[in-house]
Amino acid sequence: GENVEQHPSTLSVQEGDSAVIKCTYSDSASNYFPWYKQELGKRPQLIIDIRSNVGEKKDQRIAVTLNKTAKHFSLHITETQPEDSAVYFCAASYSGGGADGLTFGKGTHLIIQP
Amino acid sequence: NAGVTQTPKFRVLKTGQSMTLLCAQDMNHEYMYWYRQDPGMGLRLIHYSVGEGTTAKGEVPDGYNVSRLKKQNFLLGLESAAPSQTSVYFCASTPGRLNTEAFFGQGTRLTVV
Repeated sequence: GENVEQHPSTLSVQEGDSAVIKCTYSDSASNYFPWYKQELGKRPQLIIDIRSNVGEKKDQRIAVTLNKTAKHFSLHITETQPEDSAVYFCAASYSGGGADGLTFGKGTHLIIQP
Repeated sequence: NAGVTQTPKFRVLKTGQSMTLLCAQDMNHEYMYWYRQDPGMGLRLIHYSVGEGTTAKGEVPDGYNVSRLKKQNFLLGLESAAPSQTSVYFCASTPGRLNTEAFFGQGTRLTVV
């Protein structure tokens, strides 16, 4: 099955600086890579996703890049703000054939220092 | 539009007791999932369903059973609760293909003493 590794487990950045979270996956058949944000005590919510036919996707201050050859993808947050403080999860899935659900990384606790 | 709703939100069980967690979605989604979330472990798939009347095992199915008698509901059962099942449980649903957004319920915090 798929295995997703996520680094770092904790990331502390100054407000206004950029944050980068990296993930690697093991199954070359995976073709969908979402990122979820989970605030304390809340449910995970999708913030951005990318499919394997695209190398980069951007939505305002958030961007995701995908390197299929190296099997890794990254989340980039620019001009960080206090409300960006949360746990971020990357995930991978394969939409053809089986329906095993998303395989998640273990999460990154992003702390925005004022 | 409520989305995905889980019942109950909190529960304390004694070892050996049984209980059922209910997940209901009103988005007419085909696929539904149960995950557990433990500190430092991310979200791990317990069981999933690709449609009414179907269920399948995920990564950590032992000690759990599920049923999908109606398209909008996905039940997770613990027949004999163990302290190792103390966790936060999340239900999720997707329209029918995996490469679309998964919508999560608000979670159920279960403590087994």
